[in-house]
Amino acid sequence: SQTIHQWPATLVQPVGSPLSLECTVEGTSNPNLYWYRQAAGRGLQLLFYSVGIGQISSEVPQNLSASRPQDRQFILSSKKLLLSDSGFYLCAWSAPDTQYFGPGTRLTVL
Amino acid sequence: AQSVTQLDSHVSVSEGTPVLLRCNYSSSYSPSLFWYVQHPNKGLQLLLKYTSAATLVKGINGFEAEFKKSETSFHLTKPSAHMSDAAEYFCVVSDITNDMRFGAGTRLTVKP
Repeated sequence: SQTIHQWPATLVQPVGSPLSLECTVEGTSNPNLYWYRQAAGRGLQLLFYSVGIGQISSEVPQNLSASRPQDRQFILSSKKLLLSDSGFYLCAWSAPDTQYFGPGTRLTVL
Repeated sequence: AQSVTQLDSHVSVSEGTPVLLRCNYSSSYSPSLFWYVQHPNKGLQLLLKYTSAATLVKGINGFEAEFKKSETSFHLTKPSAHMSDAAEYFCVVSDITNDMRFGAGTRLTVKP
């Protein structure tokens, strides 16, 4: 069966600190992978998507970056967090006719 | 490129009254369409999906949606709102490349 893991579940980080959020999927190969962010009071915003290893497309300019070192691993990073990076981060992958979402990471930047 | 527009950012209904959450889409291909619900501090849950079969789709918790190609719409409805329906709802379009796009979301408030 298909499963998607995200960690950590919650994270509190100071402004200016680095960030690394990891997402791994099971039960599929060569999936399209996505990182979304939901800021307080706002909808889901697509940050990055990947159609294959090493292939990353960025939807919005920001101080975040993404990498896909393995087929089923997708990492969201930042060298220096901003207050505006606070939010709920969701990893997802899509297959014909459906999508699967991770449990999400709630990031608070203080 | 495909896109989704959720026409209302916030909908408020009384318990027991009908719910209508509106969604319009744009796609170059025959799309697959989905509605997801997100309760506070939780992940996304699939309510229902349309994938070129029957145009009227029934989902969980009494929700249903009708795919109308001529109107490029996929509105979500429920005959009678329950307090537990209060949440954020997202309309999603996906094409044959599996690229998916979310709407901005509609926050549903249910008043007692």
